[in-house]
Amino acid sequence: SSELTQDPAVSVALGQTVRITCQGDSLRSSSASWYQQKPGQTPVLVVYAKDNRPSGIPGRFSGSSSGDTASLTITGAQAEDDADYYCSSRDSSGDHSLFGTGTTVTVL
Amino acid sequence: QVQLVQSAAEVKKPGASVKVSCKASGYTFYTYFIHWVRQAPGQGLQWLGKINPSGAGSTTYAQRFQGRLTMTRDTSTGTVYLDLRTLRSEDTAMYYCARGDDGYGSTWLDFWGQGTLVTVSS
Repeated sequence: SSELTQDPAVSVALGQTVRITCQGDSLRSSSASWYQQKPGQTPVLVVYAKDNRPSGIPGRFSGSSSGDTASLTITGAQAEDDADYYCSSRDSSGDHSLFGTGTTVTVL
Repeated sequence: QVQLVQSAAEVKKPGASVKVSCKASGYTFYTYFIHWVRQAPGQGLQWLGKINPSGAGSTTYAQRFQGRLTMTRDTSTGTVYLDLRTLRSEDTAMYYCARGDDGYGSTWLDFWGQGTLVTVSS
């Protein structure tokens, strides 16, 4: 399969933990990266190569994976985490990239 | 600091072509691939392809754009170009360039341009 499937929307209470999942066959051979996009803004890399955070990204963002599913966890969600989140990986050929369908996270 | 600066918004008629530029600075240009991603209004991110700025400037395109899309680079100015032909209304989108990095069996986009809005309308 050349698709990455995400739940369309999730909500989380302020300060609680939320996990966003991304499912696809390509994740069996390629690690996921995750991007946060706020309305009207450019995407921002928050996790790369499964579980690495770029400098400047808060420690409450973490990544993991198992089999064909990758996850992004926000531990202690803050109001500013309200955004769309996209996973991405290489496809099965290893030479193309894919984006997930995206998840809207609402912090209540 | 790493910066990717894209060209201004474009309005094109169906059937026309558009060329979007992306000027890189703050790092060694030929050491990272540049990827192009687009986002139609209210929709998700879509990967278009990538170009290797070094050597012969090899490219890889998403299959659905084969034959309609060309990526090129100018190493003298550190600029990458995206050329999309035979435009249709469905090509209306924000087009982003982004720097790609690789490792751990993975690819990620660590710096993004500000986006170029391309509107296709008669």
